[in-house]
Amino acid sequence: NAGVTQTPKFRVLKTGQSMTLLCAQDMNHEYMYWYRQDPGMGLRLIHYSVGEGTTAKGEVPDGYNVSRLKKQNFLLGLESAAPSQTSVYFCASSKLEEGWVRSSGANVLTFGAGSRLTVL
Amino acid sequence: LAKTTQPISMDSYEGQEVNITCSHNNIATNDYITWYQQFPSQGPRFIIQGYKTKVTNEVASLFIPADRKSSTLSLPRVSLSDTAVYYCLVGGPNTGGFKTIFGAGTRLFVKA
Repeated sequence: NAGVTQTPKFRVLKTGQSMTLLCAQDMNHEYMYWYRQDPGMGLRLIHYSVGEGTTAKGEVPDGYNVSRLKKQNFLLGLESAAPSQTSVYFCASSKLEEGWVRSSGANVLTFGAGSRLTVL
Repeated sequence: LAKTTQPISMDSYEGQEVNITCSHNNIATNDYITWYQQFPSQGPRFIIQGYKTKVTNEVASLFIPADRKSSTLSLPRVSLSDTAVYYCLVGGPNTGGFKTIFGAGTRLFVKA
């Protein structure tokens, strides 16, 4: 049981290049998230997905696109990388709790190890 | 989403008990309080979650007063390895809980 796996772990891009970060989870979780974390700061939500085929914007969605074609995968794309996107990216997933649907309970996230992206 | 306020940083010594308080004045009825721990170069990991009163597990205790406008994470007898950032989150299904937002967290530094 690998949990949440992110690839690649490290990547260096030039300004204007494109790339895709892959997040895979083997826990059959419904929800998946992408966050970015800049040095000395907390995590900021980029995009999230509440199920296969659905995505939604988080706090800082500009410059990123996402897709959730399969339940276990959540892809984060940068179409034209900028130095401001230099960051550590974390993927997370969580399951649909029965209590969550019944207007109670809470959402517990399992995180990947992170992907460090540098844009020159 | 309920806004949370935590101290930016705290220092402690090995063997001491550490209490980190989080304020969440506009917590909603169905919101839960969740704490995460993040070590350098790692993703956050879940520590504890509660709704009211006291919750205890093998890692920490969570104290929530009756009005639920604050909560306190208690780490008993900390060690150097407890040096990390601790995040308090508040949310539930009726308050956009899927959109899980992290604040800046509290940076705990444990000294020998």
